[in-house]
Amino acid sequence: GQSLEQPSEVTAVEGAIVQINCTYQTSGFYGLSWYQQHDGGAPTFLSYNALDGLEETGRFSSFLSRSDSYGYLLLQELQMKDSASYFCAVRDPSSGNTGKLIFGQGTTLQVKP
Amino acid sequence: KAGVTQTPRYLIKTRGQQVTLSCSPISGHRSVSWYQQTPGQGLQFLFEYFSETQRNKGNFPGRFSGRQFSNSRSEMNVSTLELGDSALYLCASTQERGSRETQYFGPGTRLLVL
Repeated sequence: GQSLEQPSEVTAVEGAIVQINCTYQTSGFYGLSWYQQHDGGAPTFLSYNALDGLEETGRFSSFLSRSDSYGYLLLQELQMKDSASYFCAVRDPSSGNTGKLIFGQGTTLQVKP
Repeated sequence: KAGVTQTPRYLIKTRGQQVTLSCSPISGHRSVSWYQQTPGQGLQFLFEYFSETQRNKGNFPGRFSGRQFSNSRSEMNVSTLELGDSALYLCASTQERGSRETQYFGPGTRLLVL
């Protein structure tokens, strides 16, 4: 089956940098995406990596290494509003070119003053 | 553009009842996926609809069903509710021309089964 593993909790202080890792095991692979979800809110798309390397979007960056089946989300200059859950996700390779996503269990990031 | 909307936002039902949830995707998006989110199981895929056809189905019992209308709006139905069906039900819409990984989620319907 397909599975993604990420840490359950991460704590960091305001202004710091934090990295949230995600390792995946899938029988096929299209790419790795990241979502942010604030408590009680809807998941919001952050980034997507189909190829190896780093993708930067403002304070957030996402990295992928397909050979290691590993990726991470890097959050810089942390702000209190970054306190949220972060999910990595992959498209189910058995479902072809459709929108069936498999999500990791999520990492709860707590930013402290 | 308006985002994904879901109704109702909150719902309380009792065991054995049935429930219907509604989702309106972003205008122009024809793919709608449904997910169940619980603290224990996380985000789990229920099903996906495209052009009124179910394109994918997750590992949920037959009590969970859905449909999509010609205007891309989608409904999901849960019959014979069980306590374990208490969850946040999220729908997401996707553009067909683009990354399937970029999904736009609605605010969800929080269902409590008593």
